[in-house]
Amino acid sequence: AQKITQTQPGMFVQEKEAVTLDCTYDTSDQSYGLFWYKQPSSGEMIFLIYQGSYDEQNATEGRYSLNFQKARKSANLVISASQLGDSAMYFCAMIPGGGGFKTIFGAGTRLFVKA
Amino acid sequence: NAGVTQTPKFQVLKTGQSMTLQCAQDMNHNSMYWYRQDPGMGLRLIYYSASEGTTDKGEVPNGYNVSRLNKREFSLRLESAAPSQTSVYFCASSDHGTFLYNSPLHFGNGTRLTVT
Repeated sequence: AQKITQTQPGMFVQEKEAVTLDCTYDTSDQSYGLFWYKQPSSGEMIFLIYQGSYDEQNATEGRYSLNFQKARKSANLVISASQLGDSAMYFCAMIPGGGGFKTIFGAGTRLFVKA
Repeated sequence: NAGVTQTPKFQVLKTGQSMTLQCAQDMNHNSMYWYRQDPGMGLRLIYYSASEGTTDKGEVPNGYNVSRLNKREFSLRLESAAPSQTSVYFCASSDHGTFLYNSPLHFGNGTRLTVT
């Protein structure tokens, strides 16, 4: 079954340090897309970064990068130089092959940035 | 830049009452979605509309109905609310197509629904 697993319910990081949020996915499809979304305490969902299954380079967006290891089926989010405003819930998600309308979400990781 | 607008933001219902959650997007997206978010379970798809005039069930459709009123608007109806439907509901839109994997979801701000 297609599934996203985020094994870290909560994470702490010191301000200005880097942090890696883990995500593994399960699919037998060759084509798929991987996403990370951020949910601050205010509740809105914000798209952060995308990685396609055929992309050879890891995606980057400002301080966010996606460490994509296809053989291991992992798509970890790396946040560099953490800021207090990075404290939020982070969701890994996947659009599986042939199912362009059914984004699958992980349970999320709550990140706390300490001053 | 309204994006995706959903109303209401908060709602309290008694068991058995009905209500409709409204959603509108101004990004000219073809596809629209309703998700629910429950603690420890991420977001789960209730219904989606791939394009105007079509709707399909997602992972957890029981107890809900939807209407794609036009390209902009997609509503979610609870005919007889149950405590199990206490959740945060998100409307979203995207340019997803059947073979498109790179279009992110654009979300509304959510509706916090409590059913007593």
